[in-house]
Amino acid sequence: DAKTTQPPSMDCAEGRAANLPCNHSTISGNEYVYWYRQIHSQGPQYIIHGLKNNETNEMASLIITEDRKSSTLILPHATLRDTAVYYCIALLTGNQFYFGTGTSLTVIP
Amino acid sequence: GAVVSQHPSWVICKSGTSVKIECRSLDFQATTMFWYRQFPKQSLMLMATSNEGSKATYEQGVEKDKFLINHASLTLSTLTVTSAHPEDSSFYICSARYFGGSRGYTFGSGTRLTVV
Repeated sequence: DAKTTQPPSMDCAEGRAANLPCNHSTISGNEYVYWYRQIHSQGPQYIIHGLKNNETNEMASLIITEDRKSSTLILPHATLRDTAVYYCIALLTGNQFYFGTGTSLTVIP
Repeated sequence: GAVVSQHPSWVICKSGTSVKIECRSLDFQATTMFWYRQFPKQSLMLMATSNEGSKATYEQGVEKDKFLINHASLTLSTLTVTSAHPEDSSFYICSARYFGGSRGYTFGSGTRLTVV
C-alpha cells in the first residue's frame, strides 16, 4: 500500500471550511484513498473514501487530483466536535489498514 | 449498519494476570478482523489480522504467545493479553472489514487496559 504524508497539525476557525491535505504520490491505480478520524480515546470513525472521482457525503468532501498523487478532505463548516486526528490511508480494499501519524485538527471557537 | 462492539471499554488488572477483550460484529459477518494497539499520543499500530477459523497473522515484533487471538465465529474475535505487565497498558482497538456497504472498514470503540 502507498505511503501517505500529512501535516502533523492544523487549526481551523469554527464555522469555516477545514481543508486537510494528503500526499500519496506512489499510489497505484487500484488503491483507494480512505479518510478516518479519531476523537480522543475513541475508535476511528469512517469519513469518506474514493478511487478517482471526487466524493461527497453528509460528513465531508474528498477531492482527488487528476494524477491521484494527492487529495484533500474538506469539512465544509467545521465545528468544535470536529477536533480530532484525521488519517489518510491509501490501500487496496481488503488489505490490512496501516495508520500513519495523521493530522491533528483543532477547531478554534 | 456495520457496527463493531468491543467489550470491555476499560479494564484494570493486576500484573501477571490475563485479560480477554471481545470484538463482535453486530449486524454483519466478519471473516477478517484486525487488532490494534495505541499508546498515548501515538498512532494506531496494527498487531494482528484475525481470520475466522484459522490462525491469526501477527505483525513483526508482536508476541503471538502473549497476545492470543481467537476468531472462532464470523461475529466474534477475542484478544487475550496473557501474563499482563504494566508495559502492556494501552488502548486496544479492533476493526472488521465490512463488505456490504461503502464504509470498507469499521472500528470498535476501543478498550483501555491498565495493568497495575
